[in-house]
Amino acid sequence: DTGVSQDPRHKITKRGQNVTFRCDPISEHNRLYWYRQTLGQGPEFLTYFQNEAQLEKSRLLSDRFSAERPKGSFSTLEIQRTEQGDSAMYLCASSLLGTATYEQYFGPGTRLTVT
Amino acid sequence: AQSVTQLGSHVSVSEGALVLLRCNYSSSVPPYLFWYVQYPNQGLQLLLKYTTGATLVKGINGFEAEFKKSETSFHLTKPSAHMSDAAEYFCAVRDDPTGFQKLVFGTGTRLLVSP
Repeated sequence: DTGVSQDPRHKITKRGQNVTFRCDPISEHNRLYWYRQTLGQGPEFLTYFQNEAQLEKSRLLSDRFSAERPKGSFSTLEIQRTEQGDSAMYLCASSLLGTATYEQYFGPGTRLTVT
Repeated sequence: AQSVTQLGSHVSVSEGALVLLRCNYSSSVPPYLFWYVQYPNQGLQLLLKYTTGATLVKGINGFEAEFKKSETSFHLTKPSAHMSDAAEYFCAVRDDPTGFQKLVFGTGTRLLVSP
């Protein structure tokens, strides 16, 4: 169990550019979540995958955001035409369907700064 | 929808003093409650959780929390603070009664520990 990993850890981009983040969940976990955390706030849910299926998207996820999990393993989150308001920490978490403990394991996050 | 309120954005204690971080929840279904800790520029680490059963739950690093349904509370305590406890603490509640386990977080409480 190597934990949830995210890449890159930090990204600085100019407004209007596209960015893509990657999340590798714990290997046997079939549920994967993306959250966004802005300064001084708790994480807010963005979207959720069970295996390769994206089952829910928050209204926070505008049409500039897209997430994929093509083979039910790693996931990517892409933001097109970034805006300064997109600056935040993007957290990925994973969990295992069928367990009674319901806990989510979080990665270290990707901090995005849009200049 | 479920929600969480954390009273006090900052709590300051002296090393060796009691730590008390407050969390009140609102839930239309039996709540599953969590406390996570976040160190600077890192992801979230699960401290403890309540799902069913015993209302006093013990977690890592000497923390514990008590689920009080009548008060809709899930306060986090530690008898004696250590300098290494200085971090941001988030209370969360499971949002989805149907099972996909989306979490709703509070805005967090920053714990400051002085020598």
